[in-house]
Amino acid sequence: GAGVSQSPSNKVTEKGKDVELRCDPISGHTALYWYRQSLGQGLEFLIYFQGNSAPDKSGLPSDRFSAERTGGSVSTLTIQRTQQEDSAVYLCASSGTERGQETQYFGPGTRLLVL
Amino acid sequence: GQNIDQPTEMTATEGAIVQINCTYQTSGFNGLFWYQQHAGEAPTFLSYNVLDGLEEKGRFSSFLSRSKGYSYLLLKELQMKDSASYLCAVTGSQGNLIFGKGTKLSVKP
Repeated sequence: GAGVSQSPSNKVTEKGKDVELRCDPISGHTALYWYRQSLGQGLEFLIYFQGNSAPDKSGLPSDRFSAERTGGSVSTLTIQRTQQEDSAVYLCASSGTERGQETQYFGPGTRLLVL
Repeated sequence: GQNIDQPTEMTATEGAIVQINCTYQTSGFNGLFWYQQHAGEAPTFLSYNVLDGLEEKGRFSSFLSRSKGYSYLLLKELQMKDSASYLCAVTGSQGNLIFGKGTKLSVKP
């Protein structure tokens, strides 16, 4: 079956522009996470959606970052007025319970470069 | 505060067994994940423990002790392709994931 997909796979933008990143989770997965990974760094949690509950935004680094999840499925992460330090790989993951086991799957990531 | 500790680097020999430890201090606990990440790739899910004890999945096993805030990932019959970073992550009470910095494992022939 299809895994988590993300688009675009690569994005180069100019400082100050807005970017929108998309994540299509695995069908039926109720939880969706956004992370970013800067070069040589560990994974940094950004935001978490669980079903219809209000998202946990505790990891968003600034108010330039926002995310939404429409219809409990597709999610978009928006970065306004991008800065060079926003350059990173942005990873989306979805999780669900399979045969009683909580399982989480990552998408391939979007590589963002802010010039 | 919240803290996840794991060794930065480990080296092991092909065919051997290696144990990667992870200790955590978090506000709330709702399960612990282990991931494998090869350089330049997204992390791959390995295991999820929410109850104490050992979970075995082929060559990989994961152990959890909630009272000690401790987990380990055990890799048996090491292969060269197991060279990767191994990430420990704890799910907090709000469902957010807190990651350790990862352990870079090098498997040598």
